[in-house]
Amino acid sequence: AQKVTQAQTEISVVEKEDVTLDCVYETRDTTYYLFWYKQPPSGELVFLIRRNSFDEQNEISGRYSWNFQKSTSSFNFTITASQVVDSAVYFCALSEAYNTDKLIFGTGTRLQVFP
Amino acid sequence: GAVVSQHPSRVICKSGTSVKIECRSLDFQATTMFWYRQFPKKSLMLMATSNEGSKATYEQGVEKDKFLINHASLTLSTLTVTSAHPEDSSFYICSATHKRESTDTQYFGPGTRLTVL
Repeated sequence: AQKVTQAQTEISVVEKEDVTLDCVYETRDTTYYLFWYKQPPSGELVFLIRRNSFDEQNEISGRYSWNFQKSTSSFNFTITASQVVDSAVYFCALSEAYNTDKLIFGTGTRLQVFP
Repeated sequence: GAVVSQHPSRVICKSGTSVKIECRSLDFQATTMFWYRQFPKKSLMLMATSNEGSKATYEQGVEKDKFLINHASLTLSTLTVTSAHPEDSSFYICSATHKRESTDTQYFGPGTRLTVL
């Protein structure tokens, strides 16, 4: 069965701190895709990244970086030098190659960045 | 690019009435559109998948007659909550995949908050 676990329900940090959001997934498929979305208080989900299972290279985009480790089935997300505007709920999601339409979401991690 | 809009953003209705929510892809043609439901502080649950010109595919446990989905064009899908009850109150979010992209990345609308009194 496919499953995405975000064990951290809520994280609070002070501005400029680095923070890592954990994501662990389960799938029987060898080809799959992993995503991170940001949901600010306004409600709209903002696409952050898509990674396929064959690409284990870590990715950096500005203050955001992602660490994909197949050996531990994890796809963790790090925000460096966090800012108040980073406050949001972050969702990790999984889709499988045979059914890319279906996104399986984790329960989300609420990040609060205090000034 | 890849902007998805929803209308209305917020709706309050009386129990027993029907409510229609529109989802539009503004700057691209959507191969497929999806409807999700999100309860407070919870994750998103896929309700149904719709392709233009064909019937929607509903997830297990979602009542087809209760949640009517129409996908009239490549840029518009509608969700109608029929005979709404207070337990239908929720945040409904649509998403769409880009016809020209091969990545199947879903782009989400801003959501519609439905409150049934």
